[in-house]
Amino acid sequence: QEQLVQSGAEVKKPGSSVKVSCTASGWTFGSFAVTWVRQVPGEGPEWMGRIIPISGETSYEQRFQGRVTMTADQATSTAYMEVTSLASDDTAVYFCAREFQNWLDPWGQGTLVTVSS
Amino acid sequence: EIVLTQSPGTLSLSPGERATLSCRASQSLRATSLAWYQQKPGQAPRLLVYGANRATGIPDRFSGSGSGAEFTLTISRLEPEDFAVYYCQHHDRSPRYTFGRGTKLDIK
Repeated sequence: QEQLVQSGAEVKKPGSSVKVSCTASGWTFGSFAVTWVRQVPGEGPEWMGRIIPISGETSYEQRFQGRVTMTADQATSTAYMEVTSLASDDTAVYFCAREFQNWLDPWGQGTLVTVSS
Repeated sequence: EIVLTQSPGTLSLSPGERATLSCRASQSLRATSLAWYQQKPGQAPRLLVYGANRATGIPDRFSGSGSGAEFTLTISRLEPEDFAVYYCQHHDRSPRYTFGRGTKLDIK
């Protein structure tokens, strides 16, 4: 069964950082890119960036450039996304998903990150 | 940058009815670059249709069509579990994935 399992919910202070993990099973992890998407409650998904695990090559949405770092550990089939300088408008559910051709499947279950003082 | 506009924002229908959801792109797209997802509260989006193909395990009441800049997701006969939010998504040569703002399918 192909699946992605993410780390649990986080509560962070403004200005701090958060690192979310995403562990894959059911396929060869290095063979497919992993994309990260966030979703503010009541809004549509927003693409943040992606990583190709086999090479470590990353691409980030311009508005997150410099504040987001994506990494991958092939030994544990785990992708990570770290977001720094958190602000209240970073409160959202963060999802990882496997890229397959032009679509995303499967998705992780999501990680709620709440930024609050 | 491609923008996807979904309509209507909310669609109120009854079980057994036919649902037609629209996704309009700001420029012409390849049909194989367009996908549809279903999302229920507290869950991740689920892939339904990519191009004109259904994802694994998706019932045949779901179908995708369209070309150019106009695409449609049709649910031929609504079941109670189909009431959810639906998103269209585009991805082609660039790394970026673009999503529409969604159509909420409500029980009338």
